[in-house]
Amino acid sequence: QKEVEQNSGPLSVPEGAIASLNCTYSDRGSQSFFWYRQYSGKSPELIMFIYSNGDKEDGRFTAQLNKASQYVSLLIRDSQPSDSATYLCAVIGTGGFKTIFGAGTRLFVKA
Amino acid sequence: GAVVSQHPSRVICKSGTSVKIECRSLDFQATTMFWYRQFPKQSLMLMATSNEGSKATYEQGVEKDKFLINHASLTLSTLTVTSAHPEDSSFYICSASKESPTYGYTFGSGTRLTVV
Repeated sequence: QKEVEQNSGPLSVPEGAIASLNCTYSDRGSQSFFWYRQYSGKSPELIMFIYSNGDKEDGRFTAQLNKASQYVSLLIRDSQPSDSATYLCAVIGTGGFKTIFGAGTRLFVKA
Repeated sequence: GAVVSQHPSRVICKSGTSVKIECRSLDFQATTMFWYRQFPKQSLMLMATSNEGSKATYEQGVEKDKFLINHASLTLSTLTVTSAHPEDSSFYICSASKESPTYGYTFGSGTRLTVV
């Protein structure tokens, strides 16, 4: 079992729709959870981090964490073509140091 | 905000030569930096943790003699790919955290290495 799992996609949504990206993790002791966006040929950039159960909103982005289910999600409201990228879920596990990345979900927002 | 600079952005080298990649934290001190490698359409794979003033910690399966890491100051870590071969061609990325790692990391812009 992979430590951080994501559906590779591609996930295709029309412009203006809500994109929902999901991630599960195996280390129940994980404390911090992140979503990074990576455009093709570029390095990742941090979108959001969350470490408490529930929702965290930042502009058009909402991260959701459910530690009991070991599940993290990212909602992108009013999706734009510029949101088309690969979204990486990342987790800092027990020990609180190394970041483990999922394989990423490719998102396409159609104009 | 936290800025991490990585240089060079692209490098092409001949098989058997060595290549050095630099990673600098521009507006903060980083006692720890991380080096990742990413193959096309794959996720980031942690290669090693670079510790200022001490030896790097390598992940399982990463050859420490091939990927030399030096973290001589609080703002600079270097990765040297020694005796590079075509299979070392990849996207190498460094990262560091200005604050607590729980707030996430800032990545350098990455280095595209092509070994011919």
